[in-house]
Amino acid sequence: DSGVTQTPKHLITATGQRVTLRCSPRSGDLSVYWYQQSLDQGLQFLIQYYNGEERAKGNILERFSAQQFPDLHSELNLSSLELGDSALYFCASSPAGGSSTDTQYFGPGTRLTVL
Amino acid sequence: AQKITQTQPGMFVQEKEAVTLDCTYDTSDPSYGLFWYKQPSSGEMIFLIYQGSYDQQNATEGRYSLNFQKARKSANLVISASQLGDSAMYFCAMREGSTGGFKTIFGAGTRLFVKA
Repeated sequence: DSGVTQTPKHLITATGQRVTLRCSPRSGDLSVYWYQQSLDQGLQFLIQYYNGEERAKGNILERFSAQQFPDLHSELNLSSLELGDSALYFCASSPAGGSSTDTQYFGPGTRLTVL
Repeated sequence: AQKITQTQPGMFVQEKEAVTLDCTYDTSDPSYGLFWYKQPSSGEMIFLIYQGSYDQQNATEGRYSLNFQKARKSANLVISASQLGDSAMYFCAMREGSTGGFKTIFGAGTRLFVKA
């Protein structure tokens, strides 16, 4: 158990809908990262927050947004869902988040299925 | 261009033997970090080992060691004394960037099968 929690574990929804994925980092970690893992794209970095502020951005679609709250938990919002958004979404956390040495610890993931 | 390349989609190893999973990377940054993660069939991503670009010695963590050859830009994972529980997907990753932001890039992974 990495100490990172994600809810829900599974999510099934329809195209065009909006969902929110939630993540709580390990105690003491200030950075939260979001990743998407799909069969065709592999593991893709979406976005990073550090202590409430956006720190780095990856291949995140405009239909997706994220935020980190004062208690350091984070939410990833996915809207206007398409079939291709079906994937495993991971949250990870690290103590800091501004160097190449940051080791990220992953949560169990949320499996999103868009029908 | 691929930043992280794992050329072995799948590998078999006999239980109790050692196995090497290959990883090559491409970066022009002098400072970067290299990571290996394990993803069992249950889906979670488990951190295994880290190597910094300035580290002089190869990293080791229990049965895992990282064979870091900087000039060749390779960071191979060596698992000694393989166990059945080592059967999983293994991902190599590189973290690079600058004060403007660091990103972690993952390879496509190698699926390891440990035979009894």
